[in-house]
Amino acid sequence: EDQVTQSPEALRLQEGESSSLNCSYTVSGLRGLFWYRQDPGKGPEFLFTLYSAGEEKEKERLKATLTKKESFLHITAPKPEDSATYLCAVQSNSNSGYALNFGKGTSLLVTP
Amino acid sequence: EAGVAQSPRYKIIEKRQSVAFWCNPISGHATLYWYQQILGQGPKLLIQFQNNGVVDDSQLPKDRFSAERLKGVDSTLKIQPAKLEDSAVYLCASSALGVEAYEQYFGPGTRLTVT
Repeated sequence: EDQVTQSPEALRLQEGESSSLNCSYTVSGLRGLFWYRQDPGKGPEFLFTLYSAGEEKEKERLKATLTKKESFLHITAPKPEDSATYLCAVQSNSNSGYALNFGKGTSLLVTP
Repeated sequence: EAGVAQSPRYKIIEKRQSVAFWCNPISGHATLYWYQQILGQGPKLLIQFQNNGVVDDSQLPKDRFSAERLKGVDSTLKIQPAKLEDSAVYLCASSALGVEAYEQYFGPGTRLTVT
């Protein structure tokens, strides 16, 4: 059975203090690994898809990387507006559909 | 381009009552998903449609939950009768066919409170 574990559950950073969020996964054939951002009271907002080990993608202050067992979301010099819950999800080749299996998320708070 | 639309945004009902949620996906997206997100958890898939056919409903509690997607566009999710543990945010997502199918776009969700 596919499993996704995110750590830490919560993270508090000072503005400008870089850090990384971790997503460990087990899946029977990875089709894709996804990162979403979710603000309170809103639906998840798509950030990145990674398909194979060694792949990296960047968007503004965010950079996502992928290995065969985990993914990292690196946040460089964060700002208060980066405060949100970051969700990691995997999509499996064993699934006939395209369902995403989500972790519980990391709640990030960036203080001025 | 308009995003995924959902209504209502909030609903409060008593246990054993029924409730329905509506979703309009992004125009042209063939695949539609309903997820349930309990507070503090990630979203969990309830049902997936491709056009108007069901692809995966293995985690849908079929004794109380039902969903339909008539004409392959809008979709409705119904709960009858509701239980306290159904309190959650119900998220609708859609994706296109082909490579773009990997990327799902979510609506704002409907927050359901069962008292």
